[in-house]
Amino acid sequence: ETGVTQTPRHLVMGMTNKKSLKCEQHLGHNAMYWYKQSAKKPLELMFVYSLEERVENNSVPSRFSPECPNSSHLFLHLHTLQPEDSALYLCASSQDYSLDYGNTIYFGEGSWLTVV
Amino acid sequence: GQQLNQSPQSMFIQEGEDVSMNCTSSSIFNTWLWYKQEPGEGPVLLIALYKAGELTSNGRLTAQFGITRKDSFLNISASIPSDVGIYFCAGQLRSSGSARQLTFGSGTQLTVLP
Repeated sequence: ETGVTQTPRHLVMGMTNKKSLKCEQHLGHNAMYWYKQSAKKPLELMFVYSLEERVENNSVPSRFSPECPNSSHLFLHLHTLQPEDSALYLCASSQDYSLDYGNTIYFGEGSWLTVV
Repeated sequence: GQQLNQSPQSMFIQEGEDVSMNCTSSSIFNTWLWYKQEPGEGPVLLIALYKAGELTSNGRLTAQFGITRKDSFLNISASIPSDVGIYFCAGQLRSSGSARQLTFGSGTQLTVLP
């Protein structure tokens, strides 16, 4: 138990569906992240939020839309995805956005997404 | 951008053997992190290294921050079946203060045979 909880753990959706991934952290952290993990590729940073404000958006297609209503919750809204978007989506948090000494990233268990 | 070369990609070892894996980069990092990811789970932080030359242990795991700041290795002694998983290294540029500078390796898949 890392203190970062993701739901659902598994999601299968059609290319025309709209769905959302949810993340909640119980660590009192101020920064939250979405990463994409594809087979045999390094983790790809998608979005970063610090104190509920988006601070990074790494050229992610607009069919992925993040939302951070408060510092404990983070959503990833999914719309008209493609089969190549199938992957493990990891939420993470850290005490602060500035990754200084002793302040590192803790991951949730991930949401397995399959687009059919 | 920065890239980390993590090797080996996969390892099959007998229970009780020692394991060694490493990451190298063409860029300097201020911090090296090692994570383990078990099937169906997210990565879990094992060891964090903050100074060049630092050697840190966590149970049977030992990791070192290379003197050049461009490499790190992770050793696992006397492997057991529960060591199975994917081990990731990550390099972090602390001075930039940005998660963008947390670069991950592609992982080493470890299989421990009984």
